[in-house]
Formats: sequence, C-alpha cells, structure tokens
Amino acid sequence: DAGVTQSPTHLIKTRGQQVTLRCSPKSGHDTVSWYQQALGQGPQFIFQYYEEEERQRGNFPDRFSGHQFPNYSSELNVNALLLGDSALYLCASSLRLAGVNEQFFGPGTRLTVL
Amino acid sequence: GQQVMQIPQYQHVQEGEDFTTYCNSSTTLSNIQWYKQRPGGHPVFLIQLVKSGEVKKQKRLTFQFGEAKKNSSLHITATQTTDVGTYFCAGLMYNFNKFYFGSGTKLNVKP
Repeated sequence: DAGVTQSPTHLIKTRGQQVTLRCSPKSGHDTVSWYQQALGQGPQFIFQYYEEEERQRGNFPDRFSGHQFPNYSSELNVNALLLGDSALYLCASSLRLAGVNEQFFGPGTRLTVL
Repeated sequence: GQQVMQIPQYQHVQEGEDFTTYCNSSTTLSNIQWYKQRPGGHPVFLIQLVKSGEVKKQKRLTFQFGEAKKNSSLHITATQTTDVGTYFCAGLMYNFNKFYFGSGTKLNVKP
C-alpha cells in the first residue's frame, strides 16, 4: 500500500518563475491538503482539496493555486516566485468522513528560490 | 496572527529524563492532533484528542487535552534516543476545517 508520494524531491527556481508540485494521496484517501514549512517552523496550511474543489484556504496570496484530479491526486502551483517562497512543501492526505481525520504526510518537495 | 503557540522551542535532556511540551490556542479547539517529525523527515501522526479533559497514553507518551479545549500537552517518560525529533501540535478550529500547527518543540536526547 503506497503512502503519500510527492514530486519532485528538490527544485531550484529563480525569482519570478513559476513552479508546479505534484502529490499522490495514500490509497483510499480523497482529501489533499498542502502545507508550507519554513526552516525551523511548523507547517502552515495553504489549502485543501476535496471532490476536485478548493474547500479551505489559509493565509496565502493568489499566487498559490491548486488543482485536484478525478483520481484524487493534486498539484500546487506557485506563480511569480519570491525568495520567501523557499521552503519545504508538504502534501497531506486524509479520508474526509473518517472518524479520526488523521493526516498522512508525504516526504515533501524542497523548493529553493534564488 | 499566531493561532497556536507551543513551548518550549527546544529541550535538551539526558536519556532517561522526562520531557513535556505544551500547546496553547487563542480560541477553543474542535480537536487537537500531535505529530512527530524526525530530522530531515516529514510529520508523522501520533494521536488525536477530541474530548474536554481527555487523556490518552501510548506506551511512554501521555497526551492531555485541557478542560477548556484551549491547551494540550505531550509528556514523554524516561526519554530514549529514538525520541529525538520535533513534536508539533495541530489544532482544528471550530467552523474551520483546517489545522493550525504550533511552531514545534525540538527534542534532543543525550545518551
């Protein structure tokens, strides 16, 4: 049973560029949440997707957008990259109707913006 | 602003000593989860607390949820080197289906 997978593992971009990160949820999960984790900080909620729609959003600008596909996989897009966007981007999957909404995190994508 | 505060930021203990991390929210929580993140790794779910005053134990780990559902704690008895990592709490606010993570407590255990 594959867990949550993310690609790529590492990415280096320059300011102003655009990036797309990908996530495949744990088998059987239908909800995907994206988090940004700066060095030494806790994960910050970006948004959550369920049934191919954005259901909740954190305090992130519109430069951050996403998508969920019919197979529940998800993408995170960031436009006009800033130096401050350098962070570990984590994807977490869960089952919406589960009694305990345990989140399973993927290994993350380390984004460096130069 | 910061919704969930966590203290201490760092804790260095000798193997065998106890460890406690505290989590406080500015608002009442629907539930709270605890995660552990090893160095270079990703957060791994430990437990979820839902009820006011709830106490749960997992071997040497004891989790508590405050009566007002605004604070929580994780206590580790007789730490081992395998306990090294950063422990995060994540609170779910009522009417907001999104988790607010604390800044974490980094635990270092000296053998």
